[in-house]
Amino acid sequence: SAVISQKPSRDICQRGTSLTIQCQVDSQVTMMFWYRQQPGQSLTLIATANQGSEATYESGFVIDKFPISRPNLTFSTLTVSNMSPEDSSIYLCSVDIFRAREKLFFGSGTQLSVL
Amino acid sequence: QKEVEQNSGPLSVPEGAIASLNCTYSDRGSQSFFWYRQYSGKSPELIMSIYSNGDKEDGRFTAQLNKASQYVSLLIRDSQPSDSATYLCAVSGGNTGFQKLVFGTGTRLLVSP
Repeated sequence: SAVISQKPSRDICQRGTSLTIQCQVDSQVTMMFWYRQQPGQSLTLIATANQGSEATYESGFVIDKFPISRPNLTFSTLTVSNMSPEDSSIYLCSVDIFRAREKLFFGSGTQLSVL
Repeated sequence: QKEVEQNSGPLSVPEGAIASLNCTYSDRGSQSFFWYRQYSGKSPELIMSIYSNGDKEDGRFTAQLNKASQYVSLLIRDSQPSDSATYLCAVSGGNTGFQKLVFGTGTRLLVSP
């Protein structure tokens, strides 16, 4: 596995503001993924962050709302823009350490509450 | 139809018993199957992966896969109170593409002392 550091661990934000979540891995990885877990729900993939190219967004998620950066092979950020209470969720960074068999490992998550 | 379905539970078992967790998936082309454990307030932790039909054992955990029935299960032997958590089934490959895991909603397991 790898050490995946995510911050902030939690935040309480006001409606209309933006929050940037950082994900740092202690080894180089090709693909990083951002998931959302709404209260009582399972994990939903927001986007795949590839180094050197635009992130690939899943249906229902758009770049203007969730811009992603991937400046190198160990770091990525997810911004939640123009937040509303519906964005209250846990946001999780994950990486594929062993590319051959798609095993994902998760960061500790960011608990976001929007008032 | 949901892509990955699990009974939400809770599944209650006494300490020392076998806990059986089940998962069905809709994409017949799925290739890789995973079980994650998630404690309350924590992130998911990978505990088992399985890629071919049959059983795969790792300590107290056994994953079972039946691609013909589109069914994957997780058995936990000698269940301990520390096993109390939500268990997420995840599937990849097929139409969703590799390295894109689709998760079920999870089964909550409660192991009583």
